[in-house]
Amino acid sequence: EIVMTQSPATLSVSPGERATLSCRASQSVSSNLAWYQQKPGQAPRLLIYGASTRATGIPARFSGSGSGTEFTLTISSLQSEDFAVYYCQQYNNWPDFGPGTKVDIK
Amino acid sequence: EVQLVQSGAEVKKPGESLKISCKGSGYSFTSYWIGWVRQMPGKGLEWMGIIYPGDSDTRYSPSFQGQVTISADKSISTAYLQWSSLKASDTAMYYCVRQPPVGAIQYWGQGTLVTVSS
Repeated sequence: EIVMTQSPATLSVSPGERATLSCRASQSVSSNLAWYQQKPGQAPRLLIYGASTRATGIPARFSGSGSGTEFTLTISSLQSEDFAVYYCQQYNNWPDFGPGTKVDIK
Repeated sequence: EVQLVQSGAEVKKPGESLKISCKGSGYSFTSYWIGWVRQMPGKGLEWMGIIYPGDSDTRYSPSFQGQVTISADKSISTAYLQWSSLKASDTAMYYCVRQPPVGAIQYWGQGTLVTVSS
């Protein structure tokens, strides 16, 4: 079983600032890593797949990087609609999600 | 347009059985895997298992093997998640998703809230 961890658990950011979220896998998942955004009362939405490819319709302010065991999601300039919970998911083996990072307003 | 439409919220008692559904449209239902994801109240996402409606090949996460049954009826483009004996700990939102067995989840259903309480 691959264990996914995310840090920090909560990130307080002011609108317009940059947010950097981390995701770590307990063993290499190559680039088989996705990021999702979930707002209250909504289903998650795919942001990034293949560690760095934006999904259809995702703004350019979202970017992903990393490979192997260390991954980063960067939101270059936070907009009001970006305050949400973000999950990483590996799909190299059996799919597993990380515990999530909540991005809230500072 | 790809759509996954799930059945409505359920309130059940411990020990009761339940089957919730997910109807796919806008694509060839038999050509894509359908999975289920659990989200307990205030918690994160847990991947439960997947089924390939074309041949009913089904795979379960070790955490959910034996706890639930995933099935599909390709004649009506619908996948199912069922329990034979619910527990209070089954209280959660359940999402159906369309995904490859090794791949990211692009399409999500709207979720079905299952509440199990005496």
